[in-house]
Amino acid sequence: NAGVMQNPRHLVRRRGQEARLRCSPMKGHSHVYWYRQLPEEGLKFMVYLQKENIIDESGMPKERFSAEFPKEGPSILRIQQVVRGDSAAYFCASSQSRVQGSGYTFGSGTRLTVV
Amino acid sequence: AQTVTQSQPEMSVQEAETVTLSCTYDTSESDYYLFWYKQPPSRQMILVIRQEAYKQQNATENRFSVNFQKAAKSFSLKISDSQLGDAAMYFCAYKEDSGGGADGLTFGKGTHLIIQP
Repeated sequence: NAGVMQNPRHLVRRRGQEARLRCSPMKGHSHVYWYRQLPEEGLKFMVYLQKENIIDESGMPKERFSAEFPKEGPSILRIQQVVRGDSAAYFCASSQSRVQGSGYTFGSGTRLTVV
Repeated sequence: AQTVTQSQPEMSVQEAETVTLSCTYDTSESDYYLFWYKQPPSRQMILVIRQEAYKQQNATENRFSVNFQKAAKSFSLKISDSQLGDAAMYFCAYKEDSGGGADGLTFGKGTHLIIQP
């Protein structure tokens, strides 16, 4: 069981480019969560998806950010027209069911640097 | 909105000694969950221990234990017999018991734990 796989591990983009971050959940997991970690900060919840559905996007910025979790393939977090303030580590987590108290398994994150 | 506060940006402890990391939170909910996560330099977030708010008994996982004070909204982590591998950032996190509640965890800003050999 390979765990939650995120790629790339590091991503550098120029201002105005698009960033695509991928997350493959653990085998058998159909629930995916995305978090953002700014320097010197804890993780901030962005969005929760099940296969083909966005369940909770209360933490997503209103513009430039989108997420999907198609029937086949990894979950994608897309950031359009990146700005320096988007530089952060982005973490994905997955679970078998809607998380209550069991916590969930995190990936190792993608560090996005906008230059 | 719920908030989680970790008042110690950094803590240092001698190897084999005991250290306690503090965490307080603010919520109007009565049913919720609390977690401690460890983030080593590899950046991987690792669940250390969790606590259900409805349980009075403090959770324990080997050398890790918590002191959960619901009335005081306090959730501290005690690490006994500290080992070099315990060096990491430690994050306290809160989650509402779902059923219309938020799905995400709310994290504190973290405590950097240094282990002195």
